[in-house]
Amino acid sequence: AQSVTQLGSHVSVSEGALVLLRCNYSSSVPPYLFWYVQYPNQGLQLLLKYTSAATLVKGINGFEAEFKKSETSFHLTKPSAHMSDAAEYFCAVERGYNKLIFGAGTRLAVHP
Amino acid sequence: NAGVMQNPRHLVRRRGQEARLRCSPMKGHSHVYWYRQLPEEGLKFMVYLQKENIIDESGMPKERFSAEFPKEGPSILRIQQVVRGDSAAYFCASSPGQLYNEQFFGPGTRLTVL
Repeated sequence: AQSVTQLGSHVSVSEGALVLLRCNYSSSVPPYLFWYVQYPNQGLQLLLKYTSAATLVKGINGFEAEFKKSETSFHLTKPSAHMSDAAEYFCAVERGYNKLIFGAGTRLAVHP
Repeated sequence: NAGVMQNPRHLVRRRGQEARLRCSPMKGHSHVYWYRQLPEEGLKFMVYLQKENIIDESGMPKERFSAEFPKEGPSILRIQQVVRGDSAAYFCASSPGQLYNEQFFGPGTRLTVL
């Protein structure tokens, strides 16, 4: 069965610093993987998705993620954090019929 | 093109009352998904519907919860005899088809049970 583990429920970085949010998945078949962002009191917005094409996926707002099959990882990165990146980030794996299985989320704080 | 619409955005119910949550998918989307987010947790899949059909309800609690997506009108998630543990944010997502692997999320309905 597919599942997702996000390491670190809270991550804090300085403005301009590298953002690294970790996601590991378990899947018996090549997965479809997603990163979503949720701002306070809002719905989820898709940042990027991996669908078996290029292993390095570029998304919106300068984020990217690399699919590493050997490590079963799909970590999210951004070279330089901005204050507006403060939000909660969810990694998800698709489990048939587009059903998404979400990780518990990582809350990103960006301080000046 | 309007996004996924959910209403109400906030809903307060007393224990034992019924809660009805509505979701209008994006134009042209015939697939709807409902997720529940408990405080400090990720989203949990509840049910997947197409027009007039429930495709997968494996995440729905066995009692008190039901969902429909009629031929006309929005999808409805109905919770009967609400309890405090039902307090959560309920999100709806839609997609144009099963093979299109991106879901577009609504802003959610935040249900508070007193």
